[in-house]
Amino acid sequence: DVKVTQSSRYLVKRTGEKVFLECVQDMDHENMFWYRQDPGLGLRLIYFSYDVKMKEKGDIPEGYSVSREKKERFSLILESASTNQTSMYLCASRRQGAEGYTFGSGTRLTVV
Amino acid sequence: AQSVTQPDIHITVSEGASLELRCNYSYGATPYLFWYVQSPGQGLQLLLKYFSGDTLVQGIKGFEAEFKRSQSSFNLRKPSVHWSDAAEYFCAVGGNTGGFKTIFGAGTRLFVKA
Repeated sequence: DVKVTQSSRYLVKRTGEKVFLECVQDMDHENMFWYRQDPGLGLRLIYFSYDVKMKEKGDIPEGYSVSREKKERFSLILESASTNQTSMYLCASRRQGAEGYTFGSGTRLTVV
Repeated sequence: AQSVTQPDIHITVSEGASLELRCNYSYGATPYLFWYVQSPGQGLQLLLKYFSGDTLVQGIKGFEAEFKRSQSSFNLRKPSVHWSDAAEYFCAVGGNTGGFKTIFGAGTRLFVKA
C-alpha cells in the first residue's frame, strides 16, 4: 500500500526550539508539499518542492524552511518555534502535473 | 484571484438521507477539481477528481460530484449517507496556472444523526 509517512503524530516543543518535521513517500512522486491546517482556515500551503533540491515558497513561508535532499524525503524546519506555530502539519505528495495528492496522517505540533 | 468557497461550515443529515455539499470556485483557467475527506485526527483522502470530459464524476465510498462551468460549482453528492461518512470534506481546485498548486476550501464538517 503506497503511503506518505510523517515521523511524528504528536510533538510538544518549547518556544525558541528548532523543530524538524519529517515526511517520507514511497511512490516515487516528484512533487511534495507542506501544509498547515487550522480550524476555520482550511489548509494553507507553507512550502512545496517539484523535485530534489528544489523548493518554492507557498502562501505562508515565514518562520519555516524546508529541505529536500532525496526524492522521497521532504523536511519542514521551524527555525525558532513560536506559539503561533501550534497547528496540524500535513505533508502531501503527487506525481508531476495535475494529479490529486496523497496525504500523510499529520503531525499535531504544540509549542509551549 | 483563485479561490474555493464552501458555504456551509457544518451540515447535519440523518443516516440514510441524501447529501449534497456545495463548492464554488474562482479560477482563471481550466480548473482541475477535487474533493477530499478527512476523518478526525487523520490526513486527507482523495474522494474524486475532475479534469475533463464527463461532468459527472464518480468517486470512492459511493460519492459523486458534478462540474457546472456556468455556475463555477463542483458539488459533492451521496444518495444515502452512512454514519461512517461523518467527517470533514474539502473541495480543492488546481490547474496549470501557478504550477499546478492546489487551493483548498475551508471545509465542511458533516454530522450524521441516527
